[in-house]
This record gives sequence, C-alpha cells and structure tokens, in this order.
Amino acid sequence: ETGVTQTPRHLVMGMTNKKSLKCEQHLGHNAMYWYKQSAKKPLELMFVYNFKEQTENNSVPSRFSPECPNSSHLFLHLHTLQPEDSALYLCASSQDGVTDTQYFGPGTRLTVL
Amino acid sequence: KQEVTQIPAALSVPEGENLVLNCSFTDSAIYNLQWFRQDPGKGLTSLLLIQSSQREQTSGRLNASLDKSSGRSTLYIAASQPGDSATYLCAVGSWGKLQFGAGTQVVVTP
Repeated sequence: ETGVTQTPRHLVMGMTNKKSLKCEQHLGHNAMYWYKQSAKKPLELMFVYNFKEQTENNSVPSRFSPECPNSSHLFLHLHTLQPEDSALYLCASSQDGVTDTQYFGPGTRLTVL
Repeated sequence: KQEVTQIPAALSVPEGENLVLNCSFTDSAIYNLQWFRQDPGKGLTSLLLIQSSQREQTSGRLNASLDKSSGRSTLYIAASQPGDSATYLCAVGSWGKLQFGAGTQVVVTP
C-alpha cells in the first residue's frame, strides 16, 4: 500500500450504531487530519494530530471521537450520529504539520439513516 | 476569520483552450496556498503548493501564481484536455490548517 488509505470506503449506519473509520498513511509523515465534505459545502477541518497529539478540534460534536495511536494510524469513532452527518470523510497527512503539502486519502462515504 | 472564494463556480471549455481558475482570500497572513483536484466521489490530489514567500509554481501544463498582498491566486491550465475535467479546489494554509474554497467544477468538452 502506498500513500494514504482509508477503510471502509462506504458505510451505512443507523443513528444508534457505533462504527469507526480508519486511516493509515504510508508516507512517514508526522501530522494527520480528518476533514468532512458535505454536499454543496467547502471541506471542513475537523481534527489535527501532530506526533500523536491532538492539536486542533474545530468545534466538532462529541459524537465524533478521534484516536491516534501512532503517527501512521488515525481513527474516527462514530456514535449516535444524525442524518446531517452524512458526508464524505477525508483523511490527510503531512510531513511537518505546518508548511508542508497535505496528501489525502480516497475518503469514506458515510450515510446515516 | 479567513474566507476563501473561488470564481467561477463552474466552467465549461472546448478541448485545447486554456483554463483560468481564480481563488481569493481575505487574510493575507498565510503560510502557503495549495491547489487540489477532486474527481467525483474521490479524494483530493495535490497539484501545486506555493509557499507564502513564492510568487508562482509550475508543473507541466499547470502554473499557479500567488499575490499575497491582494489575497489572490490563479491556476492556469494550458491546452486543456477532457481528462482535466474535475473540481479544482484551492486551500489557504496557516499553521498546518487548510481553509478551503468551494471549488470550481471544470468540464472540458472534446
């Protein structure tokens, strides 16, 4: 595997379910990010991790819970979501977390019923 | 608060024409600006990164300029091809956080 991978690619869940999105980067980067892309809206930054430490939480509701066990892996745990949370969730990584290019994964298309 | 605007929202050109995509931002205190391409339902592909100290970057048929003082960037794509059809996003970077525009949807017709 190369670059940034995300699993699953598609997810359908009910409002009472608990699920997790996984992101893995194979680039040796130190920073990882979660973004949300809703229809007709610009990408929104959700969380930033630098060297496994969370450095940014962009006022994200607590029903989204990130986890970064090491610099290569990032998870987004989901519970009691709402239909308006349906979106494309994108993971990205960068070398230094400040000035470097961000590389994106293919995304997970989430549908909340 | 940083606001990023991309004009036009959509653009259709015949193959061979040059593309000009515009991006404007309200706060000039930026570290860099990135241009991305997104195909339908897919992730983002980085095209060009311009650091705040640079005026332009080039890669093949792509050229991006940055005028930080006026809060503008332009992406030029020379001799467009049908494979250039996609949504193009600009993102302004500050302390590792990217603020995205809504994108320009480009269709290149054969």
